Amino acid sequence: NAGVTQTPKFQVLKTGQSMTLQCAQDMNHEYMSWYRQDPGMGLRLIHYSVGAGITDQGEVPNGYNVSRSTTEDFPLRLLSAAPSQTSVYFCASSPQGVAKNIQYFGAGTRLSVL
Amino acid sequence: KQEVTQIPAALSVPEGENLVLNCSFTDSAIYNLQWFRQDPGKGLTSLLLIQSSQREQTSGRLNASLDKSSGRSTLYIAASQPGDSATYLCAVDLQGAGSYQLTFGKGTKLSVIP
Repeated sequence: NAGVTQTPKFQVLKTGQSMTLQCAQDMNHEYMSWYRQDPGMGLRLIHYSVGAGITDQGEVPNGYNVSRSTTEDFPLRLLSAAPSQTSVYFCASSPQGVAKNIQYFGAGTRLSVL
Repeated sequence: KQEVTQIPAALSVPEGENLVLNCSFTDSAIYNLQWFRQDPGKGLTSLLLIQSSQREQTSGRLNASLDKSSGRSTLYIAASQPGDSATYLCAVDLQGAGSYQLTFGKGTKLSVIP
């Protein structure tokens, strides 16, 4: 069972570079989301999607873009990386949203922006 | 804005002890509460989900309770084992059904000493 797969596991960027963090799930879940985890801050929601073609902003969306062209994939794009975006990024999915179902998390992408 | 607090931030206990982790939230109008486990360098694993209409949930040696009116939840771990060592996070939904936004606490880091 693959579950939620995130790539890459580690990434180092220079300030101003752009990149895409990949997230894929094979459970046919409708809901997917991106969080960042920073020391002393807990996990904070960046963007989420309730289905293909539908995305919305979370608590900290600035500097990030998302799209959801398929049910399986939910990539997170950093447009122009900044040191403040150094963090661990987690992707999660659930079948009908957190109201009734448990969220499944990927293993995370550890990003450093120099 | 919903705020979630977990006390203590860290806890060290000898193997075999029963222990309680605490979670409090400021807005009692939640839809559900989840407890997660996070191992170092790994993603989150959902342990228990309590709907707002429920008082508790049990899974093996774990028991989670919810008191919406007081804004509190506890995670009880019976007969702790070294394998229970991890960070435990609680999370509540930010709004009702359909919003799909979780607010996380900063976690309690548990160490079980053999």
